[in-house]
Amino acid sequence: NAGVTQTPKFQVLKTGQSMTLQCAQDMNHNSMYWYRQDPGMGLRLIYYSASEGTTDKGEVPNGYNVSRLNKREFSLRLESAAPSQTSVYFCASESWGGEQYFGPGTRLTVT
Amino acid sequence: AQSVTQPDIHITVSEGASLELRCNYSYGATPYLFWYVQSPGQGLQLLLKYFSGDTLVQGIKGFEAEFKRSQSSFNLRKPSVHWSDAAEYFCAVASILTGGGNKLTFGTGTQLKVEL
Repeated sequence: NAGVTQTPKFQVLKTGQSMTLQCAQDMNHNSMYWYRQDPGMGLRLIYYSASEGTTDKGEVPNGYNVSRLNKREFSLRLESAAPSQTSVYFCASESWGGEQYFGPGTRLTVT
Repeated sequence: AQSVTQPDIHITVSEGASLELRCNYSYGATPYLFWYVQSPGQGLQLLLKYFSGDTLVQGIKGFEAEFKRSQSSFNLRKPSVHWSDAAEYFCAVASILTGGGNKLTFGTGTQLKVEL
């Protein structure tokens, strides 16, 4: 049982480049989330998807877009990367019991 | 708005000693509270949760936490720390999102170092 998987694990981008972070879960969860983690700031919610076909903004959505491709997959896209988006990105899915399970993260550096 | 405060950025304990990590929350309704642990370069692993009922909750790896409504606290404890417990610990409170699901608001974390 893989749980929540994320690709890639590491990525270096130049300012202005685009990329998509992939996330998949095999636990049949409805709700999925994207967070970013920055030193001294804990994790902050970027976007979420309460169910297949729906997406909503979290507290720091600027510069990002998301796609809930199906129940398993929830991707995060940076259209034009900026140095302020250097961070570690975590995907999570939520069980019926309200517990969120996190993937291993993607460490992104924008130069 | 909800918030979580973890007053201790770093804590060092000796192996075998007891541990208490502090967490204070601000939330208008009955809170759903969580403790997560993050090892270097890893994702977050759920240690335990409080939704309702018994205010002392047991988690994995020998951890427990006590919910105290009067103090708005949810402190994490372990009677005897092992070297493998060295990691960063995050407290979080859940709030319902308008679109469905729950947003976790995290504290800034407490880095635990264990001295052998």
